[in-house]
Amino acid sequence: QQPVQSPQAVILREGEDAVINCSSSKALYSVHWYRQKHGEAPVFLMILLKGGEQKGHEKISASFNEKKQQSSLYLTASQLSYSGTYFCGTKRTGGGADGLTFGKGTHLIIQP
Amino acid sequence: KAGVTQTPRYLIKTRGQQVTLSCSPISGHRSVSWYQQTPGQGLQFLFEYFSETQRNKGNFPGRFSGRQFSNSRSEMNVSTLELGDSALYLCASRPGGATNTGELFFGEGSRLTVL
Repeated sequence: QQPVQSPQAVILREGEDAVINCSSSKALYSVHWYRQKHGEAPVFLMILLKGGEQKGHEKISASFNEKKQQSSLYLTASQLSYSGTYFCGTKRTGGGADGLTFGKGTHLIIQP
Repeated sequence: KAGVTQTPRYLIKTRGQQVTLSCSPISGHRSVSWYQQTPGQGLQFLFEYFSETQRNKGNFPGRFSGRQFSNSRSEMNVSTLELGDSALYLCASRPGGATNTGELFFGEGSRLTVL
């Protein structure tokens, strides 16, 4: 079951904050976040395991609400380099990243 | 360290033909996964190989197949091509085993157009 991402697209000014959500109707073991710039390969951002642990990477952080089976990606004080398409990938069992089920992506545009 | 290399980068085929795509993982990575990316469906998992064995398979017809060689390089094959097979095919590698962190390292993909 493909996770649902929201919003589908968002346009921000540099310095503004953004939140991207990823929801699943099934119980999840882990949520994986990737960013893909146009014409480039997806790049790993972070993994969240069930248990609600919040992970951070500079100004990008994420949370995983196990009860709601929902993960949110937080981009604080967005930079032009944050533009791209963000994908969440979900896994229902442990064992690594093989067999991820990805959402359709959220297009993020950061304007100067 | 060189990244994941996929060849060819672009190719055009006609319906009914078959195609073979190649992926060279990062040195030392033993797991290779394949994904199909289309505007309508996003990234969809095809299959994953580890030490020459297919460990996981997505929901694709049998026309899609793959294999992995002893040097961890992988190929995927699509037979009897259909228009709907037009997509970007992404390969991703990871160390696998005890050093696995779950992070996938993607190649830039092979863009297949079926006419």
